[in-house]
Amino acid sequence: NAGVMQNPRHLVRRRGQEARLRCSPMKGHSHVYWYRQLPEEGLKFMVYLQKENIIDESGMPKERFSAEFPKEGPSILRIQQVVRGDSAAYFCASSGDSPHSGNTIYFGEGSWLTVV
Amino acid sequence: AQSVTQLGSHVSVSEGALVLLRCNYSSSVPPYLFWYVQYPNQGLQLLLKYTTGATLVKGINGFEAEFKKSETSFHLTKPSAHMSDAAEYFCAVRGGNNDMRFGAGTRLTVKP
Repeated sequence: NAGVMQNPRHLVRRRGQEARLRCSPMKGHSHVYWYRQLPEEGLKFMVYLQKENIIDESGMPKERFSAEFPKEGPSILRIQQVVRGDSAAYFCASSGDSPHSGNTIYFGEGSWLTVV
Repeated sequence: AQSVTQLGSHVSVSEGALVLLRCNYSSSVPPYLFWYVQYPNQGLQLLLKYTTGATLVKGINGFEAEFKKSETSFHLTKPSAHMSDAAEYFCAVRGGNNDMRFGAGTRLTVKP
């Protein structure tokens, strides 16, 4: 049973470029979460999505950041016109919506974005 | 909305000593509570969780946590620290809206 898959694992972008981070949830999971972890800081919630819907984006910066989880395909976190402060580890997590899932969310290995 | 406070961003213990990592939560509904561990440059792994039932929960690697509703706490303990326990530990709470919030994390250092 494949876990949460994130790619790329490492991404280098120049200032002003776009970064796209992909997340394929665990099989059978329809809930996806994105978190950002800055160096020496904790895990900050960004956005919570279900298929084709954004449920909670209260942690997303107002500009340049967007997320989607289409009916088909992975969830995408998109950062436009990246700046050095966007350098961080971005973690995706997923959960199922059945009681059997125990409401646990499972994390991917993370995508490390470096802006130069 | 729910939130988590982890007391102490850094905890240092000697090998073989008791590990105690503190977590207090806030939730408007009966919460689900979790502890995750993160090793350097890796994702988060679930250590243990509380959903319902027994308030003392046992997890992997000898860790356990006790849900205390009256104190709104879910502290993580391990009787005897091992060098391999050195990592970052995150407490998390999940409320009725299926969302999850994490604490700021506690970095555990184990001294030989």
